[in-house]
Amino acid sequence: ETGVTQTPRHLVMGMTNKKSLKCEQHLGHNAMYWYKQSAKKPLELMFVYNFKEQTENNSVPSRFSPECPNSSHLFLHLHTLQPEDSALYLCASSQDRVNYGYTFGSGTRLTVV
Amino acid sequence: DQQVKQNSPSLSVQEGRISILNCDYTNSMFDYFLWYKKYPAEGPTFLISISSIKDKNEDGRFTVFLNKSAKHLSLHIVPSQPGDSAVYFCAASAFSSGSARQLTFGSGTQLTVLP
Repeated sequence: ETGVTQTPRHLVMGMTNKKSLKCEQHLGHNAMYWYKQSAKKPLELMFVYNFKEQTENNSVPSRFSPECPNSSHLFLHLHTLQPEDSALYLCASSQDRVNYGYTFGSGTRLTVV
Repeated sequence: DQQVKQNSPSLSVQEGRISILNCDYTNSMFDYFLWYKKYPAEGPTFLISISSIKDKNEDGRFTVFLNKSAKHLSLHIVPSQPGDSAVYFCAASAFSSGSARQLTFGSGTQLTVLP
C-alpha cells in the first residue's frame, strides 16, 4: 500500500458503457495526476490537478473526463471508449516538490470490448 | 517525439553482477531525473533521483550517473539480486511556473536478474 489507492483494479467495459475510475490519497499531497500506460510505451501524462485546479490536459480525447472534488480524490469518467483505450491507468500524487517524486497507485487495468 | 528514451527494452544479468540501465533525453530544460521501478500488477515506485547540478547520486546498491553534455543518465545496480527483476522507468522533470511539476517518462527497460 503506497498511500495512493485506485479502484477498481480491473475493469472490462463495452464501447457504449459509462464508468468511472477512482483515486484517493491521504498523503497530504497537493498535486494529482492521471497517466496512461500502454504496452511497450512510455507512461503518457493525461491530466494534472494542482490544488484541485486542472492545470494540464495533454490533448486527451473528450471521452475521458477528469474530476477533482478535493485534493484527496481524483476521478476519471469514461464514456464511449474505443478498444485502443485499453491500457493501465495510473493515478499519482506529489507534494509538488520533485525531489520527493511521485507516489503512484497500483493502477486500473482497463479493457474495452 | 519522445523526450526521454530508453533504447533497451530488456536486459538480463547474472545474480551478483552489475546491472546498467541507460536513458537518453533531448530536452535541455530538464533539471531533475528520477528512476522508478515497477513490478507486475503494481504502480511504479520511486527508486533514486539526481539533480542536474550533480553528476552522481548513490543509495546503497543503486547509483545514478548523469552526463549533461551527452544528455545521458544511467542506473547502476551492484550487486544485482533476483528481487531486482522489474521494469525500470527513467523520468525527467522541468520546472513549470504556476503548475505542478510534471514527469516525462521513458518506455521502460525490463531487467531480469538470473539466479
